[in-house]
Parts: sequence; structure tokens; C-alpha cells
Amino acid sequence: QVQLVESGGGVVQPGGSLRLSCEVSGLTFRNNGMHWVRQAPGKGLEWLTFIRAAGDDKYYADSVEGRFSISRDDSRNMLYLQMNSLTIEDTAVYYCVKDSPVLDYWGQGTLVTVTS
Amino acid sequence: EKVMTQSPATLSVSPGERVTLSCRASQSIGTNVAWYQQNLGQAPRLLLYGASIRATGVPARFSGSGSGTEFTLTISSLQSEDLGVYYCQHFDGWPWAFGPGTKVEF
Repeated sequence: QVQLVESGGGVVQPGGSLRLSCEVSGLTFRNNGMHWVRQAPGKGLEWLTFIRAAGDDKYYADSVEGRFSISRDDSRNMLYLQMNSLTIEDTAVYYCVKDSPVLDYWGQGTLVTVTS
Repeated sequence: EKVMTQSPATLSVSPGERVTLSCRASQSIGTNVAWYQQNLGQAPRLLLYGASIRATGVPARFSGSGSGTEFTLTISSLQSEDLGVYYCQHFDGWPWAFGPGTKVEF
């Protein structure tokens, strides 16, 4: 079955950086677009970014444009989110999600806490 | 940028009750809307896409309707496992956006 497993979350200071990873199995990863979605504690869902299969198209929410970067390694079935210039408002659970072309398979999320 | 709104914010219901959740888009999005359910402590789950198409494994008591700017998710007879937060989301151009959610509780 399709599985998405995020990793790389943790505690980071404001202004710091973090790279999240998502290992995907149970499907032909290179044929699928992928998203990152986040959820701040006690808040709703926020779509962040999308990368098309083959990685030639990427889109970002205004809130992370220029600070976050999505990438993929099809040889390793891995999705990444590089997060720079982090602020307290970036504290959230970050979900890796498969595109279908809606959000049909979700990982369990990884928690990022930005605090001084 | 298209903004999604949902109403009500919270809905208090009884088991077996018919439940109707509303979602509105700030601009016309055709039927490019999806609905997700999130139970406490879990990742969201896709329920419907294309406004009315049930995702694989979703019970028939869930149905959706609407087009343009007004959308509805209906649960015909609420079960205890249906409690949680429901989000609508548009996929009509970038950036995508979710509504703020409707919490369904007893």
C-alpha cells in the first residue's frame, strides 16, 4: 500500500533552517506530483508547495515563497522541503501529500517547532 | 488568489442526524473543490473531489454538491466516527487554499 513517512522535524531557533524529508513507497514515485501541507497547533490546514512529476514545475504559497524550497530525488523515492529563515509562525506539523490531482494520500506528519 | 470560507465554524449534532456543511469560494472555481475529514490527532483524509465524487472507500452517506462559488458537503446520517473537522479546498489554479474548517461535534 501507499506509504508516506516524513522525517527531519525538530526544534529550531528563529532565523534557522531545517530540511524535511518524505520517503514514499507503494507507488511509482517518479510518476506523481507531490505537495507539502502544514498545520499549526490547534489551527487549520495550509497548503504550502507542489512539485510536478519530473520536477520541472514548482508552486508555492505566498507565506513561504522565497524561504522554502521543494525538491525530489526520484532515484530514492524521496521528497524534500528546505526551510530557511524560519519564524515562530512556521511552527506546525508538516505533511507530505501525494497528488492525484487532489491530496489523496497523506503522511502522519513531522512537527517543526520554532522557538528561542 | 482564491479564498475559501466555511460555515458554520462549529456544528453540534446528534447521532443519526442529517448534516450539511457549506463552503464558499471568493471566485468561481467550477467544480474544482475537494473535501477532507480530520479526526483528532490524525492526518486528514480525502472524502470528495470534483465537488461530488467520493474517494475510494468513502461511505455513501457522504455526498457533495455545488459549482462556481457555493459548495455543500452532506452527511445523510451522522455516525460517531464522523466527528471531527471538515475542510474544503480548491484546486483551481495556484496557489491552492483550504477553508478554515467546520468542527462537527456532539
